[in-house]
This record gives sequence, C-alpha cells and structure tokens, in this order.
Amino acid sequence: SYELTQPPSVSVSPGQTARITCSGDKLGDKYPSWYHQKPGQSPVVVIYRDSNRPSGIPERFSGSKSGNTATLTISGTQTFDEGDYYCQAWDSGTEVFGGGTKLTVL
Amino acid sequence: EVQLVESGGGLVQPGGSLRVSCVASGFTFASYAMSWVRQPPGKGLEWVASLSGSGASRDYADSVKGRFSVSRDNSREVFFLQMNNLRVDDTALYYCAKKASSAPDDYLDAWGQGTLVTVSS
Repeated sequence: SYELTQPPSVSVSPGQTARITCSGDKLGDKYPSWYHQKPGQSPVVVIYRDSNRPSGIPERFSGSKSGNTATLTISGTQTFDEGDYYCQAWDSGTEVFGGGTKLTVL
Repeated sequence: EVQLVESGGGLVQPGGSLRVSCVASGFTFASYAMSWVRQPPGKGLEWVASLSGSGASRDYADSVKGRFSVSRDNSREVFFLQMNNLRVDDTALYYCAKKASSAPDDYLDAWGQGTLVTVSS
C-alpha cells in the first residue's frame, strides 16, 4: 500500500520559517494537499494540489514539491500555527495521509 | 456556509454494527464526492471510504473493505457509513468530509466535527 512519510515533529522559534516535508514513491506525479489540525479541532486544508492556498489561509503558508518530496513552508511562524500537519495524496483509488508532524513554536 | 454534522457514534461491542450519518448543508450536495476519515485517540488521520456524488463509485481502505459500506441520500443530503463486524481497532473519531469537486482525487475542503465510535466489551 502507498505510504507518505513525514517527520514526527518540527520545532521553530516565533517569526522563523518552518518547513515540513512529506515524501512518497512517485509523489512527483501526484498532487498532495496539506491539512492543519489543532488540538480538539477538525482538520483544515491549508495547501491543495501542491501549492495552492485556499481563501482565508494566510500568505505565510506555501507549498512546493521537488522530485518525490513535498514541502509545506510557513514563513514568519506564529504560536497560532502550532498543531499537527498532515500531507495527503490520492493513489489508485485510495486517499493516503502521512503520519503527521507536530509543529511546536517556542 | 458549508456545514457537516455527524451523528450516530457510540459504544458497541466487538463484532457489532453501527451506522453513522452526516447531514450536509450549504452546498449542492449531489455535486460533490464525500469521504469518511477516522482518527484513533491520540493518533493520526486515516482515510476510510469515499463515495462519488451520484453514489455510483465508491472506494474503501483495505482495513475496512468487506466490513464497512458507504451510501448517500441526495434528496435528504445525508451521507452514511455502515460499519459491520466492528473491531477494537476501529475505535476512533469518525469525520465526514466534503471533496472540493466531484473528482475522486480532489482534496477535502470541509470537515465535520466528528462522531466518536468506541468498540469495547
């Protein structure tokens, strides 16, 4: 079965840039999305189809992809951005989520 | 405003059955594919199943294939997940989520608050 690999945790100081990676076989041929989930809340999409930002998502969120690795970049990270981030891609009729990355801003 | 409201969760014994529902509003329900995604306590997201807008095309995760089934009532704008032969490892918060289009590979642009299913003896 298809798998997406994310680092379990990323830490960053307020105002700095956070980068969260997601890797998977032939991810370069797919269109990953990224979701943010705060404790006790439902996930919210922050990037879709590689690098598109939904309305209402701050410009400091951006997505990119190189080879089989997708990256979510959060510029000028704020404490409000803490939480879990999941990448997701579609593969042969199944939706696959990465294991999630806990972002800590301290 | 898009709203998705799940219900029907609860405590069930291993081997039992449960049906959870998701009432949708704020969009043209029949035009969008829908998915169920679950999250075991303290763990990550796991896709469960998806259903096309017409109900003609459905996909399931290997972990639930043969035990779970999805359906929808477009006239009442409700999305269902029927869960049979439940196992302890099916315990999770079950989210209903809307796809951004009718395409099965599109992203999930709206999520409900979830309904908790606990499988325990």
